[in-house]
Amino acid sequence: DGGITQSPKYLFRKEGQNVTLSCEQNLNHDAMYWYRQDPGQGLRLIYYSQIVNDFQKGDIAEGYSVSREKKESFPLTVTSAQKNPTAFYLCASGDNEQFFGPGTRLTVL
Amino acid sequence: GENVEQHPSTLSVQEGDSAVIKCTYSDSASNYFPWYKQELGKGPQLIIDIRSNVGEKKDQRIAVTLNKTAKHFSLHITETQPEDSAVYFCAASLKKLTFGTGTRLTIIP
Repeated sequence: DGGITQSPKYLFRKEGQNVTLSCEQNLNHDAMYWYRQDPGQGLRLIYYSQIVNDFQKGDIAEGYSVSREKKESFPLTVTSAQKNPTAFYLCASGDNEQFFGPGTRLTVL
Repeated sequence: GENVEQHPSTLSVQEGDSAVIKCTYSDSASNYFPWYKQELGKGPQLIIDIRSNVGEKKDQRIAVTLNKTAKHFSLHITETQPEDSAVYFCAASLKKLTFGTGTRLTIIP
């Protein structure tokens, strides 16, 4: 079954904690992306990676970090430096079109 | 950078009627224009896209038109059905996708 998986579906974090969101794809795509979605707004690009071991900042990278050690995986860490981390996080992959995973809803308690 | 504006923000349509959502973009170099449908709590689903060398593309009940001179593109849904109710996003891209803020479409039975 091909596709993009994200885990967990829901995540709760206490203030001051770092959390890591998982994104895996088996579509053999080189490019992967992380977006943040807030109510009433479009998707905003956090980080993207066009090839293994390389990644670039998107429009709202402050307070986030990523790694791309494997082609299939692109985890996102939300650090304590992110001032307002409560949001819906979407991972995507694709070399021409972009396809999205089901998302992770992060809530800061 | 690219800026995408999307209108209207909400749209209610009687079942069986047509729905039209419009987007404008700022960067004349953008050459790829996808449309996504997002259901509540899920990731966006690519429903149709168009590239800048084409003026119109159709897939069953949905169609997209592109006017490069005016820098706007539109999504047309004909014979609307209740399952078309969702939030629709347009996007424009040269290297990275920039999204509109979304249109909440409600089909009234």
